[in-house]
Amino acid sequence: TQLLEQSPQFLSIQEGENLTVYCNSSSVFSSLQWYRQEPGEGPVLLVTVVTGGEVKKLKRLTFQFGDARKDSSLHITAAQTGDTGLYLCAGLIQGAQKLVFGQGTRLTINP
Amino acid sequence: DTGVSQDPRHKITKRGQNVTFRCDPISEHNRLYWYRQTLGQGPEFLTYFQNEAQLEKSRLLSDRFSAERPKGSFSTLEIQRTEQGDSAMYLCASSLVGAASNQPQHFGDGTRLSIL
Repeated sequence: TQLLEQSPQFLSIQEGENLTVYCNSSSVFSSLQWYRQEPGEGPVLLVTVVTGGEVKKLKRLTFQFGDARKDSSLHITAAQTGDTGLYLCAGLIQGAQKLVFGQGTRLTINP
Repeated sequence: DTGVSQDPRHKITKRGQNVTFRCDPISEHNRLYWYRQTLGQGPEFLTYFQNEAQLEKSRLLSDRFSAERPKGSFSTLEIQRTEQGDSAMYLCASSLVGAASNQPQHFGDGTRLSIL
């Protein structure tokens, strides 16, 4: 049973479209990170959200942490081919130090 | 600023052999983590150190696996008597314990292990 459910697992859209990736759990997290991973490389940190309801923006990427700190979303506006990659959400369980990862969303932006 | 460094990047070995991987964390980071990632999945936690102390081990870490961080700097992960199921990407991450409780973990590029 996956502690963090990430959806969709695969997404292929045209350049210029908007998209949202979801990360859901029944567990409460003290923080949640979003990473992007390229083939053959390690995950690269995009953002950390800590407070329930927090919204962070990174250029065309908007990250939101749910009010109850159980879920998060990543919204990309006007997707570009350079956004293609594997997006991973990872939560830090309260009182623990290990990250729990979702399965990842493999995003393909077509020109 | 150098990031987390892992060596080797790739390792191919025969079943039953022992392998050892090395991780050099970001220099001022006192926490070091090992994760394993199989194809199509997110990374799974294996173990972590704070300085030289190993504070948590996952049930995934069978008795064939051992990790050390003897001087609180670099760490090694050894797998003895490797099995086919050990084929995966082994990722190391580090973070800084500070006044803010949630310091993010920064990952290396991993060691990809292939068992023949």
